[in-house]
Amino acid sequence: DQQVKQNSPSLSVQEGRISILNCDYTNSMFDYFLWYKKYPAEGPTFLISISSIKDKNEDGRFTVFLNKSAKHLSLHIVPSQPGDSAVYFCAASFSGSRLTFGEGTQLTVNP
Amino acid sequence: GAVVSQHPSWVICKSGTSVKIECRSLDFQATTMFWYRQFPKQSLMLMATSNEGSKATYEQGVEKDKFLINHASLTLSTLTVTSAHPEDSSFYICSARDLTVPNEKLFFGSGTQLSVL
Repeated sequence: DQQVKQNSPSLSVQEGRISILNCDYTNSMFDYFLWYKKYPAEGPTFLISISSIKDKNEDGRFTVFLNKSAKHLSLHIVPSQPGDSAVYFCAASFSGSRLTFGEGTQLTVNP
Repeated sequence: GAVVSQHPSWVICKSGTSVKIECRSLDFQATTMFWYRQFPKQSLMLMATSNEGSKATYEQGVEKDKFLINHASLTLSTLTVTSAHPEDSSFYICSARDLTVPNEKLFFGSGTQLSVL
């Protein structure tokens, strides 16, 4: 049972444009969501997070939006840069339990 | 930020041998460490949760006798792949929880690419 899903395995955008990565979840008990970025042959690095009591969190070029009624969150990167090219994982947890990861989306930002 | 060191970054071994992977929290104490496995183009799959001073908790389908986990101190956890076979070839990643950081902001090691010949 895949409780966290990233339906787009890949996304390609032009440098300077907005990248929007999507994530859906099924467990309404999840109360904390995170995005991680991963380069090949490296461990994931934390990017940004959001609590279920918020619907938006912004950090520089990165903004995460949470729509609890739709059980959907998205990561916006603007403007996108070639160095943003990586695999992005969304993850969710509830009551401090372990993280459940999505399958990841490969973002490619073209110069 | 918190740093998690994982070693080795890659290893090639012969079928039937054992391989040990180390995971260290460098600037914080990690009472809990997690071990993940990632196949190409797939998600991070949690293998086991390692608690300092106690036995690891394994996820369903993960053989505890094959993947030995030791968490003897607050800064070190090891994963030993025993009698490795080619199907064990994968990217293994550890992560640790810094209790001073709120919520589930795990810090990950750099990963270990295991290739079993």
